Amino acid sequence: DAGITQSPRHKVTETGTPVTLRCHQTENHRYMYWYRQDPGHGLRLIHYSYGVKDTDKGEVSDGYSVSRSKTEDFLLTLESATSSQTSVYFCAISVDRENTEAFFGQGTRLTVV
Amino acid sequence: GEDVEQSLFLSVREGDSSVINCTYTDSSSTYLYWYKQEPGAGLQLLTYIFSNMDMKQDQRLTVLLNKKDKHLSLRIADTQTGDSAIYFCAESRNRGATNKLIFGTGTLLAVQP
Repeated sequence: DAGITQSPRHKVTETGTPVTLRCHQTENHRYMYWYRQDPGHGLRLIHYSYGVKDTDKGEVSDGYSVSRSKTEDFLLTLESATSSQTSVYFCAISVDRENTEAFFGQGTRLTVV
Repeated sequence: GEDVEQSLFLSVREGDSSVINCTYTDSSSTYLYWYKQEPGAGLQLLTYIFSNMDMKQDQRLTVLLNKKDKHLSLRIADTQTGDSAIYFCAESRNRGATNKLIFGTGTLLAVQP
């Protein structure tokens, strides 16, 4: 398996609280991504990074922010969690922009109550 | 993921061939992918095809691409119970600093012994 780990793997939080999910890689890949997976929607891109301190929005970025202060870590923050953000979150890494060798983490199941 | 469409469910018997279909919308997509997701796990890249190819074969997997109809299919020969999973097709769209993967909603493949 590619060296990509997500933490935590499971989290239950209350509406209105801040939450940070961490993605850590040991592959030194340039590109990192955060997706959410919901029934009937497949995976949808939240934010991505194309280098240290270089990030951009995906298709469902509202309510989320990210940071990448070093190559190996990509953090996803929900500033004030809402029930609509209950989902499974996946981090992915890729060596190139074409995603021909993209690897996914095991996912974080987040429940907002 | 609404722009990439897949049927939701496919059931086959062990030893038969499985064919999972996908239609996409962006004719400029350079790569098209097939991912496999087992229960509780992240996505595993199975194979991909470059847009100027019609077919790609990799052991038991055959990918067919019809660019005119924007149709992609994945054939699994001699399907095994271990192939039971959700299969996602994805297209790679050139957007900004990286290509973004747009996923279909996934096809649940159930293999009956």
